[in-house]
Amino acid sequence: QVQLVESGGGVVHPGGSLRLSCAASGFTFSSSGMHWVRQAPGKGLEWVAFTRYDGRDKYYADSVKGRFTISRDNSKNTLYLQMNSLRAEDTAVYYCAKDGGAYQLPMWGQGNVVTVSS
Amino acid sequence: QSALTQPASVSGSPGQSITISCTGTSNDVGSYNLVSWYQQHPGKAPKLMIYEGSKRPSGVSNRFSGSKSGNTASLTISGLQAEDEADYYCCSYASSRTWVFGGGTKLTVL
Repeated sequence: QVQLVESGGGVVHPGGSLRLSCAASGFTFSSSGMHWVRQAPGKGLEWVAFTRYDGRDKYYADSVKGRFTISRDNSKNTLYLQMNSLRAEDTAVYYCAKDGGAYQLPMWGQGNVVTVSS
Repeated sequence: QSALTQPASVSGSPGQSITISCTGTSNDVGSYNLVSWYQQHPGKAPKLMIYEGSKRPSGVSNRFSGSKSGNTASLTISGLQAEDEADYYCCSYASSRTWVFGGGTKLTVL
């Protein structure tokens, strides 16, 4: 069964850090590019970051560049998002998603809530 | 990285057809035939409905179709059904390995 399961969300103070994880199963993780996408409360989807299948290249939205780092451990079939210098506007549900090879996102995790509040 | 422009809401009666537009620029929608569309029900993860502008993943009803003209992509849903009521988002590849989503459109089935 193809599955993506996020973990690591929670409440953090402004300026703090948090690391999200996304455990993949049911497909060849080491051959797949992976994304993080977020959705602020009551708002639309926002693409956050992408990593190539081998983790050598990483790309970010301007809104998180320099603060967030996407990484992966192919030996553990796990994707990560290290979030530093968090701001209130980073409050959102964070989804990990598999890249479909044609620049689409055919598979998504269930989402993980991150709340940045004092 | 400006969001693509979608209407905030559209509505239709069961059996009718509706079209949702998604307007970008020559740097994203206009440059690539790489627009995808996602359906999201409340509290759920998004679901891919259309990719590469007009292709349907396996299992998606042929009532859903996509097209593009210039900087604007469109999603058409024919034979509207109650379960189609959801939020719909377009997404385009935007060069240099970045992606941009639309603001989302709430579809109401009357």
